[in-house]
Amino acid sequence: SAVISQKPSRDICQRGTSLTIQCQVDSQVTMMFWYRQQPGQSLTLIATANQGSEATYESGFVIDKFPISRPNLTFSTLTVSNMSPEDSSIYLCSVGAGTFGTDTQYFGPGTRLTVL
Amino acid sequence: GDSVTQMEGPVTLSEEAFLTINCTYTATGYPSLFWYVQYPGEGLQLLLKATKADDKGSNKGFEATYRKETTSFHLEKGSVQVSDSAVYFCALSDPGNAGKSTFGDGTTLTVKP
Repeated sequence: SAVISQKPSRDICQRGTSLTIQCQVDSQVTMMFWYRQQPGQSLTLIATANQGSEATYESGFVIDKFPISRPNLTFSTLTVSNMSPEDSSIYLCSVGAGTFGTDTQYFGPGTRLTVL
Repeated sequence: GDSVTQMEGPVTLSEEAFLTINCTYTATGYPSLFWYVQYPGEGLQLLLKATKADDKGSNKGFEATYRKETTSFHLEKGSVQVSDSAVYFCALSDPGNAGKSTFGDGTTLTVKP
C-alpha cells in the first residue's frame, strides 16, 4: 500500500485566483492520478501524471485550467487556475498499485476547495 | 466506453440488518472490480476487490462476487453496524482503457442503532 498526503487540506479562495495542491507519496510510483469530486457526486478523472512526460488530460479538462507538475516519482502538484465557484470541489490525488499502476488505487485525504 | 452503475441511494438500515448495494458495469476489456469506502471527512479507501470472473472479494464482513455473465459486482454484508455508515463506490480498472479507473456515483449508507 501507499501513504499519500495532500496540502492544503482545505481552502477558501476568491474568484479569479489560482490554487496549487500538493500530493506527496511515501514510495516511488509510476502513475499518479488527479480526480475531482463535486459535492454529492462521484469521482471524475482530471488527468494522469507520469514522471518525465506531460500529463494526459481527460475529455473536458485542459492544461491551461489544470496545469500539473510531476518533478519526481513521489510528488505531484495540480493547479486550479482562474477559479470560479463551479470549481468548488474536493480534489483527490491517487496512485495506482500493480503493474503499470493499473490495480488498486490509493487515495490521498483530499483538498476541499471553496471558491467564492 | 467503460461505465459503472450503482444502486441509487441513500440507503438507511437498522443495525444488524442485511445490506445489498447493487453494481453493474460495462467494459471494453477484462476489468478488475473494486469497492471503495469513504467515511465522513476522509478520502477513499479500498474495501475489497476481485480481479477475475467468479472471484469473491471480502473484507470486514463485506463480500462481493465478480459475475461476468451478469456483469455485476454486488456488495453484501450480513449484519451492518453503525460504524459502517459511509459512502460506498463501485469501480473498475480496465486494462483495455490504459488501466484507468471508472467509478459509480456512490451510495450513501446510514445505519441507525
